Formats: sequence, C-alpha cells, structure tokens
Amino acid sequence: NAGVTQTPKFQVLKTGQSMTLQCAQDMNHNSMYWYRQDPGMGLRLIYYSASEGTTDKGEVPNGYNVSRLNKREFSLRLESAAPSQTSVYFCASVWSGQLNEKLFFGSGTQLSVL
Amino acid sequence: TQLLEQSPQFLSIQEGENLTVYCNSSSVFSSLQWYRQEPGEGPVLLVTVVTGGEVKKLKRLTFQFGDARKDSSLHITAAQPGDTGLYLCAGANNDMRFGAGTRLTVKP
Repeated sequence: NAGVTQTPKFQVLKTGQSMTLQCAQDMNHNSMYWYRQDPGMGLRLIYYSASEGTTDKGEVPNGYNVSRLNKREFSLRLESAAPSQTSVYFCASVWSGQLNEKLFFGSGTQLSVL
Repeated sequence: TQLLEQSPQFLSIQEGENLTVYCNSSSVFSSLQWYRQEPGEGPVLLVTVVTGGEVKKLKRLTFQFGDARKDSSLHITAAQPGDTGLYLCAGANNDMRFGAGTRLTVKP
C-alpha cells in the first residue's frame, strides 16, 4: 500500500518552461489537494478537488492548472514557470469522516525555477 | 496574512522542559488538526479536535480546542529530542488551511 505517490521528487526548470507534477493515491479517497510550502509561510493551498471531475481554486492558484484525471490521480501543471514558483509542492489525499477529515501527504516535490 | 497564526515561530528548549505552542484565528472552524513534519517528508496527522473546549491527550502531548472553535494549543510535557520537528495547525471548513508552523528543537 503506497498511499500517496508524488513524482518527480526534484526538478529544476528555467523561467518559461512548463512541467506537470504527478500525484496518485491508492486509498480510494474522493478529495485531493495540492499545497506549496515556503519558509515562514507554511502550507498554502493551490487547488483542490472534492471529487473526480471537479476542481476548485485555493489560496494561491495563479500560475497553476490542475487536472483530476480519475479518482486516483490529481496533477498540477505549471504552464510557464517563474522564479516565484520555486517551492516544495505537496499533494494530499483526504479521508473524510462524519465529523472530520484526515490528510495523507506525499513526500513532496522540490522545484527550483532559475 | 495567514488565516491561522502560530506562535512562537521558533522554539529551542532542553530535554525535559515543558512547552506550549499556540494556533489562533479570527475564523471559526468545524475542526482543527495538528500535524508534525520532519525534514524531507510530508506532514503527519497527530490529532483532530472537533468540539469547542475539547481536550485530547496523546501520551505527553495535550491538545486543546478553544471554546469558540477559533484557536488551539499544543502542550508537550517533558520534551524529548524525538519531539523535534515542525508543528503545524490546520483548520477545516470547505477546505483545509494551514498555519506557518512552530519549529521546535529539543536539545539533549
């Protein structure tokens, strides 16, 4: 049982290049999230998907697009990377109970944009 | 500005000391969670508190949710070097928002 798998673990891009961060979960969860983590800023929500076929903007969606390809996969795309997008990106899969939720995180993608 | 403000940002203490870290917001949450994150890894859930005034204990860790469900605290008794890490609080409504975290270092 792999849980949440993110690829790649590390990536270096030049300004203006594009790339897609992949995330897959094997826990049959409906909801998935994408966060970025920067020093002193904590985790900021980029986009989330409450169910297959739906996506919604979070706190910092500008410069990103997402695709909920199926229930397992939720990808994050940078169309034209900028140095401000240098960050560590985390994908999370969400177990939802009657009263609360639990997030299961991947191990992160460290992205540098030069 | 962060939706959830955590304090202190950094804390360095000796093994055996007690400590409290705080998570405050002007927003009401349906639930609040505490996570711990170690370098190179994603955060891992420690506890979820749901009811205003709720207190939960997890070994040497005590979590409290404020009566108004806007704030929370984490108290660690007799801290150990293994408690070192980044402690994050997260509030749930339609989605899950995180504070910036408290980076705790426990020196042997």
